[in-house]
Parts: sequence; structure tokens; C-alpha cells
Amino acid sequence: KAGVTQTPRYLIKTRGQQVTLSCSPISGHRSVSWYQQTPGQGLQFLFEYFSETQRNKGNFPGRFSGRQFSNSRSEMNVSTLELGDSALYLCASSYADRLTDTQYFGPGTRLTVL
Amino acid sequence: AQSVTQLGSHVSVSEGALVLLRCNYSSSVPPYLFWYVQYPNQGLQLLLKYTSAATLVKGINGFEAEFKKSETSFHLTKPSAHMSDAAEYFCAVSEGYSGGGADGLTFGKGTHLIIQP
Repeated sequence: KAGVTQTPRYLIKTRGQQVTLSCSPISGHRSVSWYQQTPGQGLQFLFEYFSETQRNKGNFPGRFSGRQFSNSRSEMNVSTLELGDSALYLCASSYADRLTDTQYFGPGTRLTVL
Repeated sequence: AQSVTQLGSHVSVSEGALVLLRCNYSSSVPPYLFWYVQYPNQGLQLLLKYTSAATLVKGINGFEAEFKKSETSFHLTKPSAHMSDAAEYFCAVSEGYSGGGADGLTFGKGTHLIIQP
């Protein structure tokens, strides 16, 4: 069974630009969650999508948004990039419930904002 | 709301020695507890999960963890360290949806495990 894939793996952007990251979950998984990982803040939850609906959202500004398609693939978008948005963005999928099921993580997208 | 504390941002052990990574949690309901490992330039991989079935949980790669309610701990151990165990380890706690709140799953800050030859 193929794992969680994320594209692109690396991105370099400048302040003020916007970026879209993509995540393909494991086949059959309906829950997709996004996390931001930085050395200072650790792993922080961005949002979770389940059956094309946002089920939960973390404490991030509205510049961070996402969506999920009918095939469970998900995208997250960050608009008006700031230097502090530089991070590893991880996508995780689970069968149905990210709070109790095992989450399977992708390798991440490393975003650098200059 | 739940919380998790990992004691020691860095732990160094000799190859062949016991590995002990500490995790303490707080939760208002019976928790779900997880240990994940992250190798460089990779995502997180589940090592083991506690769901109240048994207090001693065995995971992959020879790791195990014991749930101790009285101590609110879920420490990760491995009898004999290998060089390949060098990685970042994360403890996480969840109260399930009964805990409420937007982020019902909380990760610790992580412990970097260093294996000395």
C-alpha cells in the first residue's frame, strides 16, 4: 500500500507570495491533517479535513487555508507569506479519526520564505 | 485540555545500552497515548500506541512503553540501543473527541536520541 505523498518536497518563496502544498493520503483514508513543524514551536496542528469538510482547526491566522477533494487528496494554501512561515509542513492521514487512529505521515514539504 | 511533557530535549546513550525516553501527560479523561519517531528529512512514524487494552505496549523496532496512571507517565524503553535508533522521538496524547477543543491531539516537544558508538 502506498504511503502518504506530499508535493513538492522543497519550496523557496519570497515574502508576500502565496504557496499551495499538496497531499495524497493512503488509499481508503478519509481524514487528512496538516501540521507545521518548526524548531522553536515543535509540531503545531493546522487543520483536519474529513470527507471534504474541515472538521477541526488549530490556532493559525486566516492566511492558512485548506481543502479536500472527493478522492481525499488535500491541499493547503498560505497567502501573503511571512518569514515566520518557514517550516516543515507535514500531512498525515488516518482512516477516520485522527485522535484515536494511527496517523500516517508524509515526508513533508520544506518551505523556506526569503 | 490535555498536555504532554518530554523530559530531556537530548538523550545520549551508548550502543547496546538501555534507552529510556520520558513522557508525562495530563488528561481529564482516559487518554490515548502515542510514541512517534522521526528520522532526518522524513515524516513521523508510529512506534506504538496505548488505547487502554494493556498497560505494557510493545511497538516496532524493539521499543515498548508502559502506561502508569498513578505517575501519569508513558515512558519509552528499548533494552539495547542500535545506531539506527538515532532519531527524534515524539510523545503525543489525545482525549479523543470527548476531550473537546479544536486540537484534541497534543505532541511533546520531542527528544533527540543520540547513540554513541
